[in-house]
Amino acid sequence: RKEVEQDPGPFNVPEGATVAFNCTYSNSASQSFFWYRQDCRKEPKLLMSVYSSGNEDGRFTAQLNRASQYISLLIRDSKLSDSATYLCVVLPSGGSYIPTFGRGTSLIVHP
Amino acid sequence: NAGVTQTPKFQVLKTGQSMTLQCAQDMNHNSMYWYRQDPGMGLRLIYYSASEGTTDKGEVPNGYNVSRLNKREFSLRLESAAPSQTSVYFCASSEALRQGYTFGSGTRLTVV
Repeated sequence: RKEVEQDPGPFNVPEGATVAFNCTYSNSASQSFFWYRQDCRKEPKLLMSVYSSGNEDGRFTAQLNRASQYISLLIRDSKLSDSATYLCVVLPSGGSYIPTFGRGTSLIVHP
Repeated sequence: NAGVTQTPKFQVLKTGQSMTLQCAQDMNHNSMYWYRQDPGMGLRLIYYSASEGTTDKGEVPNGYNVSRLNKREFSLRLESAAPSQTSVYFCASSEALRQGYTFGSGTRLTVV
């Protein structure tokens, strides 16, 4: 099993739709989790940190499920500008600091 | 604008040539990183610097060296470039380890 897995998509949704992505991780001792957004040929940009209690930022909601070892990102009321690749990042616990990036999930929002 | 600045944006090298990628941040961040991104591989950490004066290997350090010149600047050097080092290189910074990054706009490197 890969350390961090994401469905590459693409997820093709109409404007206004609600879409959700999952990211599974294999190391049960993982400590920190993030979602990044990357536009084509651009740098990744931090979208959200993912906390145990879940967190929400406008139309975006991130959840952590430690028992099943996945994090999720929910986007409500999708906009054309949400079209991008969404990367999850998992950081280990303990002394080692080498984060693992997922390969990303592609989202296409169409009119 | 505040952020992470990388130079150059594009570079073509011949096998065996050397070069240094420059990175500077003006957010007073303690930690800095160098990543490479290859199709189908995701982002992989090359080296990182938790704080000024320290550097550590990441997942794929072979063929690279780094220098944390001061708190602002973190450079990546390829001593003898190989075609396998063709990639997009991103520098990033964060207030501390285990916090979210701010990335630079990337350097597209081709080694022929």
